[in-house]
Amino acid sequence: KAGVTQTPRYLIKTRGQQVTLSCSPISGHRSVSWYQQTPGQGLQFLFEYFSETQRNKGNFPGRFSGRQFSNSRSEMNVSTLELGDSALYLCASSSRGWGGELFFGEGSRLTVL
Amino acid sequence: AQSVTQLGSHVSVSEGALVLLRCNYSSSVPPYLFWYVQYPNQGLQLLLKYTSAATLVKGINGFEAEFKKSETSFHLTKPSAHMSDAAEYFCAVSGTETGANNLFFGTGTRLTVIP
Repeated sequence: KAGVTQTPRYLIKTRGQQVTLSCSPISGHRSVSWYQQTPGQGLQFLFEYFSETQRNKGNFPGRFSGRQFSNSRSEMNVSTLELGDSALYLCASSSRGWGGELFFGEGSRLTVL
Repeated sequence: AQSVTQLGSHVSVSEGALVLLRCNYSSSVPPYLFWYVQYPNQGLQLLLKYTSAATLVKGINGFEAEFKKSETSFHLTKPSAHMSDAAEYFCAVSGTETGANNLFFGTGTRLTVIP
């Protein structure tokens, strides 16, 4: 069974631009969640989708948004990029509705110049 | 609200020595607890999980963790460190109150194994 796939793996953007990251979960997993990882703040929860519905959202500004498609694939978008948005963005999927272990992708490393 | 605290951001052990990584949790409901490992430039890999069954949980790569409710702890141990264990380790608690799959992670412990 293929794991969680995230694209692109690396990208460089400039301040003010926007970026879209993609995540394909493990087949059959309906829950997809996103995390931001930075050296200063560690791993922070962004949001979680289950069957195309956002169920929970972390404490991030509205510039961060996401969606999930009917095939469970998910995208997250960051608009008006700031230098502080430079981070590793990790996507995770789960087969359970809650309380289950998360299976992580390798992440998309975003650098904002 | 749930949270975890990892004591020690860096731990160094000699190859063959005991590995002990500490994690204390805070939760108002029975927690689901996890340990993940992250190797450089990679995502997180699940080592083990506690979901209110046996208090001693065995995971992959020889790691295990013991859930101690009285101490609100879930420390990770391995009897004999191997060079390949060098990585960053994260303890996490599930946000069971919200009925969603969000995890609250600790700040991580970087394990160095000295040959």
